[in-house]
Amino acid sequence: SQTIHQWPATLVQPVGSPLSLECTVEGTSNPNLYWYRQAAGRGLQLLFYSVGIGQISSEVPQNLSASRPQDRQFILSSKKLLLSDSGFYLCAWSVLLGASSYNEQFFGPGTRLTVL
Amino acid sequence: KQEVTQIPAALSVPEGENLVLNCSFTDSAIYNLQWFRQDPGKGLTSLLLIQSSQREQTSGRLNASLDKSSGRSTLYIAASQPGDSATYLCAARRGSNYKLTFGKGTLLTVNP
Repeated sequence: SQTIHQWPATLVQPVGSPLSLECTVEGTSNPNLYWYRQAAGRGLQLLFYSVGIGQISSEVPQNLSASRPQDRQFILSSKKLLLSDSGFYLCAWSVLLGASSYNEQFFGPGTRLTVL
Repeated sequence: KQEVTQIPAALSVPEGENLVLNCSFTDSAIYNLQWFRQDPGKGLTSLLLIQSSQREQTSGRLNASLDKSSGRSTLYIAASQPGDSATYLCAARRGSNYKLTFGKGTLLTVNP
């Protein structure tokens, strides 16, 4: 069965410090990978998605970047955090199954980031 | 641009009641629609996914319906239990791209 891991679970960082959040998926190959942010009072916002190693699409201009160094690893980074980067960061994966393009998304446990 | 709305934002019911959560979307050209559950401080758990060619999907006490022409989906929960208390989110996928557009969710409280 497939499993998705995120770490750390919680993080408190000062403004201006760097950030690295990691997401790994087990039990599947060549998944599509996604980073979302969930801020209080707002819906889930898609930040980045990747269809393969080194292939990153950015959805929202911002202070963050993403990388996919391995097939099942997705990293979210920042060089200098802003207060507005605080939120709950969720990683997700999906695969295309057969001709129907069944594309259910599955989410990880999330990372709670607080920028002070 | 796809917009997804969930009404009500919060719902409180007594245990045992059957209930319906609503989800509406502005662009009917969806590829599929997915319902999730989120417990406080946790990630999302996928409950049901309905393809655009389907009218409904069932899993246990849950039944999700889809009406593309009216831009609506409903999640029916039968015989609600306190353990069903959570935020329920719907998300629509448009066309062949990979993006999901989420509603803001309905916070459900089932009182014992």
